[in-house]
Amino acid sequence: QLQLQESGPGLVKPSETLSLTCTVSGGSITSFTHYWGWIRQTPEKGLEWIGSIYHAGSTYYNPSLRSRVSMSVDTSENQSSLKLRSVTAADTGVYYCARNLIGSDLFDPWGQGTLVTVSS
Amino acid sequence: QSVLTQPPSVSATPGQRVTISCSGNNYNIGNNYVSWYQQLPGAAPKLLIYDNDKRPSGIPDRFSASKSGATATLAIAGLQTGDGADYYCGAWDSSLSAVVFGGGTKVTVL
Repeated sequence: QLQLQESGPGLVKPSETLSLTCTVSGGSITSFTHYWGWIRQTPEKGLEWIGSIYHAGSTYYNPSLRSRVSMSVDTSENQSSLKLRSVTAADTGVYYCARNLIGSDLFDPWGQGTLVTVSS
Repeated sequence: QSVLTQPPSVSATPGQRVTISCSGNNYNIGNNYVSWYQQLPGAAPKLLIYDNDKRPSGIPDRFSASKSGATATLAIAGLQTGDGADYYCGAWDSSLSAVVFGGGTKVTVL
């Protein structure tokens, strides 16, 4: 059974970079039919799609966050990673990774999520 | 303000049927598939419906969905106490080039 697990610092200072990793188990990140997405849930905006990445490296990002986001994949570790630069308090929330069917809004399954707080 | 509009809350007693609407426009719901997600308290969202009206394996047929124009609807029949959760709709928005979600609807089982 495919499982995803987010990990990373729970506290990030304003203006710094948020870095998270998603570890995939029970399946391969080199799926031909899926991207690997990141979604966050904040008090201000609710659920917000951040972006998705294919194992070969192609990405598509939410235009509203594109200038601050980068994603990568490590196929040897079966992991995807998210970096969000120049964070502010508005970036505080729960960050989820999820498998994303290519070309769709379908995310399944989701990781349990990790809370990231932006504060000095 | 979410791109897709959902009612903030609905409530009903066990056994009743509830419906949740999700309104968008021709750039999202009107011309793209809709998914629905259930988020139980303290848990991650879980896929409930995809491609407008399809249920993943393991999702009871008490959950159904439909779409008409730029509005999608989720229905829960025979409401159970365990159905108390937040429900979100999602769709691709070709104008924004982004996946968009509704603001969520809290279902309370009285």
